[in-house]
Amino acid sequence: DAKTTQPPSMDCAEGRAANLPCNHSTISGNEYVYWYRQIHSQGPQYIIHGLKNNETNEMASLIITEDRKSSTLILPHATLRDTAVYYCIVRALTGANNLFFGTGTRLTVIP
Amino acid sequence: KAGVTQTPRYLIKTRGQQVTLSCSPISGHRSVSWYQQTPGQGLQFLFEYFSETQRNKGNFPGRFSGRQFSNSRSEMNVSTLELGDSALYLCASSLVSTDYGYTFGSGTRLTVV
Repeated sequence: DAKTTQPPSMDCAEGRAANLPCNHSTISGNEYVYWYRQIHSQGPQYIIHGLKNNETNEMASLIITEDRKSSTLILPHATLRDTAVYYCIVRALTGANNLFFGTGTRLTVIP
Repeated sequence: KAGVTQTPRYLIKTRGQQVTLSCSPISGHRSVSWYQQTPGQGLQFLFEYFSETQRNKGNFPGRFSGRQFSNSRSEMNVSTLELGDSALYLCASSLVSTDYGYTFGSGTRLTVV
């Protein structure tokens, strides 16, 4: 699976949009981009995934660049409960089924 | 529906002992994966089971083993515990082994003294 690069930490004001970037320049054509988050002392939580089109669900939006070498997770109206470590992962649906989490981005939502 | 259940939540063991952790996946989920999380190494994949067969294994010593039962429940075992085995052990389940999203349990926090 391709490796990802994320900033170690970010701050966001409560109520504002949080934009979390991820670089995955070595992504293969059959690899999806996944986002998970981990709130302190809990297991990771699946947020969203995508292949090449932008995706939106009730939690977030995922914007993938046309060349697929980077993506941005958008939390439209961040709340204090969104404070967590956010992991960007790329993996194919075939082959190895493990997730490589990397170090993630620690997002702190500030009141 | 019930989530992924891991037992026990907390465990303290002595060096040299062995430990067994349990994971009950979401009903109908046949794939169960195990991860170890430590402050130094982050989240690392241990192994994955699907229909009672180990499909994939991470880079951990043979002291770490697991199994899956016919009802998809899974156990992992660590023998001859070392201080460095202190970690949060997380279990994740998915509907099929190549499903999109995994649902994680809250983990078992193991402390080796």
